[in-house]
Amino acid sequence: QLQMQESGPGLVKPSETLSLTCTVSGGSISSGSYYWAWIRQPPGKGLEWIGNINYSGSTYYSPSLKSRVTIAVDTSKNQFSLKLNSVTAADTAVYYCARRLGGSSLIDYWGQGTLVTVSS
Amino acid sequence: QSALTQPASVSGSPGQSIAISCTGTSSDVGGYNYVSWYQQHPGKAPKLMIYDVSNRPSGVSNRFSGSKSGNTASLTISGLQAEDEADYYCNSYTSSSTWVFGGGTKLTVL
Repeated sequence: QLQMQESGPGLVKPSETLSLTCTVSGGSISSGSYYWAWIRQPPGKGLEWIGNINYSGSTYYSPSLKSRVTIAVDTSKNQFSLKLNSVTAADTAVYYCARRLGGSSLIDYWGQGTLVTVSS
Repeated sequence: QSALTQPASVSGSPGQSIAISCTGTSSDVGGYNYVSWYQQHPGKAPKLMIYDVSNRPSGVSNRFSGSKSGNTASLTISGLQAEDEADYYCNSYTSSSTWVFGGGTKLTVL
């Protein structure tokens, strides 16, 4: 059974960089069949797709966040990461990592989510 | 890209059927058969209910079904049950090789 777990600071200061890691267990992140995604949800609001990456490092980002986002994969650690720079209070959200099957809209596994608050 | 349009709320009585719409454009919903639906209970991660417009994952009740016409996709829940009360989100592939979610719909079972 695949499991995904987000980790990282729960509090980030405005203008700094938000950094999160998703550790995948029970399956290999090197599988060519999947994309590894970051999705966020501000408190009381809807889901927002941030971007995704495949095992070879090909990335796609939301146009609204593209200038501030970097997603990377570390196959040796079976992890992928999110960096969002120049954060503001609007970036306060629960951040989820998730797995999507390539060639499909199927997102079958999600992490439990981690709340990141942007505040001084 | 703009979020897909969903009704903010829908409601129904136990046993009834309801439908939730998800409207986009020819550059997302209308252009591809890559629409999925997620159920989210408070404080929980989303759960996949429908993928690729009308496919149901194993373990999901056959009371849930999906369809698409033009630029609008729909999720139908038949035989409403109390445990169906949750937020529902659609998600679509776009012509920019990105993905976009709907704004979400709160389902209330009366």
